[in-house]
Amino acid sequence: AQRVTQPEKLLSVFKGAPVELKCNYSYSGSPELFWYVQYSRQRLQLLLRHISRESIKGFTADLNKGETSFHLKKPFAQEEDSAMYYCALSLRGGSNYKLTFGKGTLLTVNP
Amino acid sequence: GAGVSQSPRYKVAKRGQDVALRCDPISGHVSLFWYQQALGQGPEFLTYFQNEAQLDKSGLPSDRFFAERPEGSVSTLKIQRTQQEDSAVYLCASSKGGGSNQPQHFGDGTRLSIL
Repeated sequence: AQRVTQPEKLLSVFKGAPVELKCNYSYSGSPELFWYVQYSRQRLQLLLRHISRESIKGFTADLNKGETSFHLKKPFAQEEDSAMYYCALSLRGGSNYKLTFGKGTLLTVNP
Repeated sequence: GAGVSQSPRYKVAKRGQDVALRCDPISGHVSLFWYQQALGQGPEFLTYFQNEAQLDKSGLPSDRFFAERPEGSVSTLKIQRTQQEDSAVYLCASSKGGGSNQPQHFGDGTRLSIL
């Protein structure tokens, strides 16, 4: 069965510092990877997906199939980036609607 | 509508009671999903509807959990004979289509506490 691991429960950085939220997955096939974000008192929302290869709010994530990782990066963190971040995976094919989430990383960006 | 709407926002029930949680998806969205999020965990898939058809209920933890979407819009998740381990946030999401290329839009969730 597929699994998503986010090794850091908490991550704290200072404003302007680079930030990297780690995500590793286990799946024998070729998955699709996503990052979801939940800001304080807001609902869970999609941040970015690997197939789009886009940068959202300065964040990027590259799928590394060799290391089975999909780390989320931003070169200069902002206070408004403080939120809960979830990495998620879906399969290709018939069950590609089903998302498997990691446990999440709470990012705090200090002034 | 503005987004996925869930009610109630909070529900407290005594062990053994039945509860019903409602989800109003975004108008026109074909797909609807239920997830369970325990404290300190990520959301876990429960079930998936395409219109009124329940195509996947593999994540439902037991036969005490039942979901329906009779007219292909509003959905209800029912839990019978609740137990303490059912305490969690129940999230509903909807999307235009069923594939992963259609982003899932989440509601605020219902926080269920079983005493």
